[in-house]
Amino acid sequence: ETGVTQSPTHLIKTRGQQVTLRCSSQSGHNTVSWYQQALGQGPQFIFQYYREEENGRGNFPPRFSGLQFPNYSSELNVNALELDDSALYLCASSSWWAGETPEQYFGPGTRLTVT
Amino acid sequence: AQSVAQPEDQVNVAEGNPLTVKCTYSVSGNPYLFWYVQYPNRGLQFLLKYITGDNLVKGSYGFEAEFNKSQTSFHLKKPSALVSDSALYFCAVRDITRNYGQNFVFGPGTRLSVLP
Repeated sequence: ETGVTQSPTHLIKTRGQQVTLRCSSQSGHNTVSWYQQALGQGPQFIFQYYREEENGRGNFPPRFSGLQFPNYSSELNVNALELDDSALYLCASSSWWAGETPEQYFGPGTRLTVT
Repeated sequence: AQSVAQPEDQVNVAEGNPLTVKCTYSVSGNPYLFWYVQYPNRGLQFLLKYITGDNLVKGSYGFEAEFNKSQTSFHLKKPSALVSDSALYFCAVRDITRNYGQNFVFGPGTRLSVLP
């Protein structure tokens, strides 16, 4: 069973640029969630994708967007980067069916630094 | 709104002693509660969850958690701490305020240090 993988591991961008982060979900999982973890804080929910559609969103502006592909992998795109976007971005996958509350399995994260 | 509090930023315990990491929650309806551990430069690893049933939940690596509805608490415990348990621990609750999805609300984390 393959776990959740994310790429790249680290990334340095300049304010105003755009970035794409990638995630491959765990085998058999159909749902992907993205979280932002600022230094010294708990993860904050960005959004979730289920069957290639956004299925819930946290308090993040529209410049945070995403995609899910037919193989359940996912991308997180952030436009017009700001210094406060510097954080560890975590992808989590789960196998969600109606009525279930499954645990989420996290990838190692992508460390984004905006200068 | 769903929320989770972890009242201790840091917990120190001697190796071999029992450990407790505290978590309290505020939810509408039945709580779905989780514990995760994060090692340096790593993602979060699932330890255990409470959905329904027995108030004492057993999880990975010898950890267990006690659900207490009257005190709205879900404390993480281990009978005998190991130095390798030193990490950042997060309590989380499933957010049911949204109409869809299975997203979690995480607490701020508690850093556990197990001293040899």
